[in-house]
Amino acid sequence: EAQVTQNPRYLITVTGKKLTVTCSQNMNHEYMSWYRQDPGLGLRQIYYSMNVEVTDKGDVPEGYKVSRKEKRNFPLILESPSPNQTSLYFCASRLGLVDTQYFGPGTRLTVL
Amino acid sequence: QKEVEQDPGPLSVPEGAIVSLNCTYSNSAFQYFMWYRQYSRKGPELLMYTYSSGNKEDGRFTAQVDKSSKYISLFIRDSQPSDSATYLCAMSASGTASKLTFGTGTRLQVTL
Repeated sequence: EAQVTQNPRYLITVTGKKLTVTCSQNMNHEYMSWYRQDPGLGLRQIYYSMNVEVTDKGDVPEGYKVSRKEKRNFPLILESPSPNQTSLYFCASRLGLVDTQYFGPGTRLTVL
Repeated sequence: QKEVEQDPGPLSVPEGAIVSLNCTYSNSAFQYFMWYRQYSRKGPELLMYTYSSGNKEDGRFTAQVDKSSKYISLFIRDSQPSDSATYLCAMSASGTASKLTFGTGTRLQVTL
């Protein structure tokens, strides 16, 4: 089954404790992205990747890092999480520039 | 001012009604226009995709783009309770199609 998986689905952590949210897709897609979704602000792109070792900033990259060492994986790293990073995070992938984008199930992160 | 504006709703309609959802945008470089549907506690899923101006129909759904007015619409005919969800518009500029800008979403409730 074609899918995008994210782990963990739920996470409560404390300020400053480094964390990683994993994202993996099994569709051999080149393009992958991370979004955060907040009430009243909608979905905002954090980072995206056009291929292995090629990443670029989206609209809200501050406080986040990504890496794309393998085509299937695109982890999101929060080196020093802060409460304003409490949000619902989605990973997404697609084959090409204008193909259907598949979203993962979301990771609800709370930073205390 | 946000690049993409979307009425958050909620919009409540009776079953069978025609629903009109809209977004306006300010970036004249946007060329790719998409509509996503997001059910509660799920990731968004692509409904319709349109390049540049014009109409596109898929079953009960019709997407319209008016670039001269910077206005896009999604029409749902014969609405069903299963259409109850949040609808997000998204768009990107030619050449930077990996960077998507989303509207905040309109919550739709179709009642029996």
